[in-house]
Amino acid sequence: DAKTTQPPSMDCAEGRAANLPCNHSTISGNEYVYWYRQIHSQGPQYIIHGLKNNETNEMASLIITEDRKSSTLILPHATLRDTAVYYCIVRSRYADGLTFGKGTHLIIQP
Amino acid sequence: DAEITQSPRHKITETGRQVTLACHQTWNHNNMFWYRQDLGHGLRLIHYSYGVQDTNKGEVSDGYSVSRSNTEDLPLTLESAASSQTSVYFCASSETRTGSTDTQYFGPGTRLTVL
Repeated sequence: DAKTTQPPSMDCAEGRAANLPCNHSTISGNEYVYWYRQIHSQGPQYIIHGLKNNETNEMASLIITEDRKSSTLILPHATLRDTAVYYCIVRSRYADGLTFGKGTHLIIQP
Repeated sequence: DAEITQSPRHKITETGRQVTLACHQTWNHNNMFWYRQDLGHGLRLIHYSYGVQDTNKGEVSDGYSVSRSNTEDLPLTLESAASSQTSVYFCASSETRTGSTDTQYFGPGTRLTVL
């Protein structure tokens, strides 16, 4: 699976959009971009995933650049409950497990 | 609602004892996974199963075993617990192995301490 690079930490004001970047310059054509988050002491929570098109669901939007070498997870109206570690994972469709890096610790400020 | 549960949530045991951690899912998912999470290592894959009677080793399988006798359960056994196995253990499940339906959903975790 391709490696990812994320900033170790970010702050965002409550009510604002949180934009979390991820670089995956070695991604190959059959690899998906997944985003998970882990709130303290809980199991990882699936957020969204995509292949090459932008995706949106009730939690977030995923913007993937045209060359697929980077992506951005957008939480449109961050709340204090969105404080968590966010993991960007690049994974081929036939990979067995998920490979978690260090992620980005997002802190939502009141 | 369908869900994935783990038990116990906390366990303290002694070195050398056999320990079994339970994982139960009600989604009727074919695939189930066990991970451990340690500070500085993120989540690492221990074992996984793609269906009844199927089991496979992951990245850190030494000292662990699993068995899959039905779709709903994948218990993780530590044959002889060691202090290095003190960790938080997460179970996950997914529907299929292909495309958009292989998203993994995680349980709440079991915190295991081996003294």
